[in-house]
Amino acid sequence: SQTIHQWPATLVQPVGSPLSLECTVEGTSNPNLYWYRQAAGRGLQLLFYSVGIGQISSEVPQNLSASRPQDRQFILSSKKLLLSDSGFYLCAWRGPYTEAFFGQGTRLTVV
Amino acid sequence: DAKTTQPPSMDCAEGRAANLPCNHSTISGNEYVYWYRQIHSQGPQYIIHGLKNNETNEMASLIITEDRKSSTLILPHATLRDTAVYYCIVNYGGATNKLIFGTGTLLAVQP
Repeated sequence: SQTIHQWPATLVQPVGSPLSLECTVEGTSNPNLYWYRQAAGRGLQLLFYSVGIGQISSEVPQNLSASRPQDRQFILSSKKLLLSDSGFYLCAWRGPYTEAFFGQGTRLTVV
Repeated sequence: DAKTTQPPSMDCAEGRAANLPCNHSTISGNEYVYWYRQIHSQGPQYIIHGLKNNETNEMASLIITEDRKSSTLILPHATLRDTAVYYCIVNYGGATNKLIFGTGTLLAVQP
């Protein structure tokens, strides 16, 4: 069966520090991968999606970047975090004509 | 992707049916209707999806109007654990398509 792993679960980082969140998928090949952010009390905002290795589409201009070095690995990064980067970050995967499956999320607090 | 409109919040008594409406008047012929829910501080969970016909699974039923401009998610016997934000999304279903979430409906199941 397919599973999605996302870590860490919680993270507290100072302003100006770098960020790296990792997401891996097991049990499927060539999935579409997604990064979402959810600010406190708000809806899910699509940040990036990827249809293949090295292929990244950015939905909103921001302080973050994404990379897909392997088929089932999706990484969200920042060189210097801002206070406004705080939020709940979710990774998801999807196959052809299937529903999306989400990880358990990373709660990032920038202080 | 077609835009969806949902009421921001709804209440339902425990044990009663919860009927969550969604308007998608600009849906195109090959777009599916998907429903997800997000319990507080967790990743979204897939519930059900459909194209034209009504659908039922172990979690819920989906009723799509004949003109496909609206749909209703039915939880037949709501429990307290069904309290969550419910998202209605229309999407082509192909894996290459990005998945955009709206603001959803906060369903509060009351004891």
